Amino acid sequence: GAVVSQHPSWVICKSGTSVKIECRSLDFQATTMFWYRQFPKQSLMLMATSNEGSKATYEQGVEKDKFLINHASLTLSTLTVTSAHPEDSSFYICSASGTGWGIGTDTQYFGPGTRLTVL
Amino acid sequence: GQNIDQPTEMTATEGAIVQINCTYQTSGFNGLFWYQQHAGEAPTFLSYNVLDGLEEKGRFSSFLSRSKGYSYLLLKELQMKDSASYLCAVTPLGGYQKVTFGIGTKLQVIP
Repeated sequence: GAVVSQHPSWVICKSGTSVKIECRSLDFQATTMFWYRQFPKQSLMLMATSNEGSKATYEQGVEKDKFLINHASLTLSTLTVTSAHPEDSSFYICSASGTGWGIGTDTQYFGPGTRLTVL
Repeated sequence: GQNIDQPTEMTATEGAIVQINCTYQTSGFNGLFWYQQHAGEAPTFLSYNVLDGLEEKGRFSSFLSRSKGYSYLLLKELQMKDSASYLCAVTPLGGYQKVTFGIGTKLQVIP
């Protein structure tokens, strides 16, 4: 149990375009999903927290109009990087926590990550 | 806020035992996670300690002292595949919201 998928696993786009990243919990209900960004040799930095059916809560310094998060169901959250620029190139990782068989309380289960490169 | 300290790099020999320490200073604390992250991959869950003491899971054990703000991850019978970064992360009072990650300890296992 506790499998989280992300799609795509990598994406290359031109500056100014938008990119959507999907995060799905495959075998449990994700009441909360988290989006992180990780630059090389740095730790995971939380960008936002989203609860199903509610607006996401963004961390300080993260532009909510640039990083659009939608958590429409208990198994799917999306992150859209709008008008991407080279400085947005990073490793984006989602995680999910929730309820289900074998799901640890308070534990976040991570997706495999999406490597975004903006040219 | 949360402040987490762990060594940035460690090297250990295959078959040996290694202990990765983590100290934290928090305004509120609920529990501490250890995650393993291989290069270019997402973290995978190893352990979650809420109460003081040692929890063992196969070759991996995790210890927590809430009064000292201290935890360690113990890896026994090291294998080459254990070469990875090990992330210490704390959760605030109230549960899993806003988990704060340390920078991670990059462990290199050598033959």
